[in-house]
Amino acid sequence: DAKTTQPNSMESNEEEPVHLPCNHSTISGTDYIHWYRQLPSQGPEYVIHGLTSNVNNRMASLAIAEDRKSSTLILHRATLRDAAVYYCILRDAREYGNKLVFGAGTILRVKS
Amino acid sequence: AAGVIQSPRHLIKEKRETATLKCYPIPRHDTVYWYQQGPGQDPQFLISFYEKMQSDKGSIPDRFSAQQFSDYHSELNMSSLELGDSALYFCASSLDPTGGKVFGPGTRLTVT
Repeated sequence: DAKTTQPNSMESNEEEPVHLPCNHSTISGTDYIHWYRQLPSQGPEYVIHGLTSNVNNRMASLAIAEDRKSSTLILHRATLRDAAVYYCILRDAREYGNKLVFGAGTILRVKS
Repeated sequence: AAGVIQSPRHLIKEKRETATLKCYPIPRHDTVYWYQQGPGQDPQFLISFYEKMQSDKGSIPDRFSAQQFSDYHSELNMSSLELGDSALYFCASSLDPTGGKVFGPGTRLTVT
C-alpha cells in the first residue's frame, strides 16, 4: 500500500474552515484517496473518497492536486463534533479484498 | 438507517479463555472486514470476507479464526487469549468495493 503522510495534529476554531493536508507522493494511477475519521470511543467513519477530480459531499470536500501527489480534506465549518482523528488512506482499485490500511492520522482539535 | 451491529459491546475474559465476537453487516452488504485497535494505536486490519469466502488476510494471529455465514454475518473466534489481545475490535461492511466502508461501534475486549 502506498504511504501517506499527515500532520500529527491540527487545531481549529469552531465555525471556521479546516484544511487537512495529506501527502502521497508515491501514489499510483489506480489508487483511490479515502478519508475516514474516528471520534473518541467510536468506530472509524467514512468521510469522502476520490480518484482524480475534486469531490464534495454533505460532510466535506476533497481537493486533489493535479499531479495527485497530495490532497486536502476541507471541512467548511468546523464544529466541536468534528474533533477526531482523520485518516488519509490510499486504496489500490486493482487490489483484491479492498481492505483499508490505517496509518498515523491527524488529530484535529476544535476550540470553541 | 441500519448500521453495522456488533455484539457483545463489552467482553471480559481471562487469559487462555476463548471469545467469540459477532458482526451483523448492513443489509445487502456482502463484504465484512475485521480490525483490531489496541490502546492508543491505529486500527489494524485482521481479515475480510466476500460472499462467505475469505478475501484478504492481515495481521491476524493463528489463535484467531473467522468466518462469514450464509446470512452474511461474521464471527471472530479467539482462543488462548493473551493480555495483549485486549483491544477494541471493529467490524466493517461494504457493498461497493471501491466505495466507503461502514464501521460498527466495536467490541471492547478486556483480557485479565
